[in-house]
Amino acid sequence: SQKIEQNSEALNIQEGKTATLTCNYTNYSPAYLQWYRQDPGRGPVFLLLIRENEKEKRKERLKVTFDTTLKQSLFHITASQPADSATYLCALGNSGGYQKVTFGTGTKLQVIP
Amino acid sequence: DAGVIQSPRHEVTEMGQEVTLRCKPISGHDYLFWYRQTMMRGLELLIYFNNNVPIDDSGMPEDRFSAKMPNASFSTLKIQPSEPRDSAVYFCASSSSAINPNNEQFFGPGTRLTVL
Repeated sequence: SQKIEQNSEALNIQEGKTATLTCNYTNYSPAYLQWYRQDPGRGPVFLLLIRENEKEKRKERLKVTFDTTLKQSLFHITASQPADSATYLCALGNSGGYQKVTFGTGTKLQVIP
Repeated sequence: DAGVIQSPRHEVTEMGQEVTLRCKPISGHDYLFWYRQTMMRGLELLIYFNNNVPIDDSGMPEDRFSAKMPNASFSTLKIQPSEPRDSAVYFCASSSSAINPNNEQFFGPGTRLTVL
């Protein structure tokens, strides 16, 4: 069966360091992968999308990689700040122009001042 | 735009009662999604609509759940009868197939449902 796995345990890092979150998937051939941020009591907010033919995508302090051979995406936040503390969700989407995606369970990131 | 609007924000009900959750998508968006989020199962897609038509309801847990979209600006998710295991946060999201290269979904604030 299809499975999307993210670090189940919370990730604690020191302010200023780079946070790296992992999204692994099995039995899936996604056309693209998204990352969302979710703060407590709120809905997820879109951050980045990377397509299957892209290796890396950057946006400000964020960097996403996508390895379709390893079936893995890495999400990096450089120069992390306490305001980056949140839960980060990856989501996989298919081709064909459909809008449907499947979400991972998320990783809670805590940036310690 | 006010974003996706959901009501109520919190709902506490007793087992066996009917629950109706409401959603107003962003104007002009042609896709609408209903999700359920729990600690154990994460964010699960229940059903989604395109141009008010249900496209995939395979995530709807059972016949107690039903969803409608009578027009482009309103959708409901109904649970009848409700059970304690339905307790979760229910999110509505919308997206546009036009001018949306990132297939970005816009989420509402969610409805926290507690079934006693």
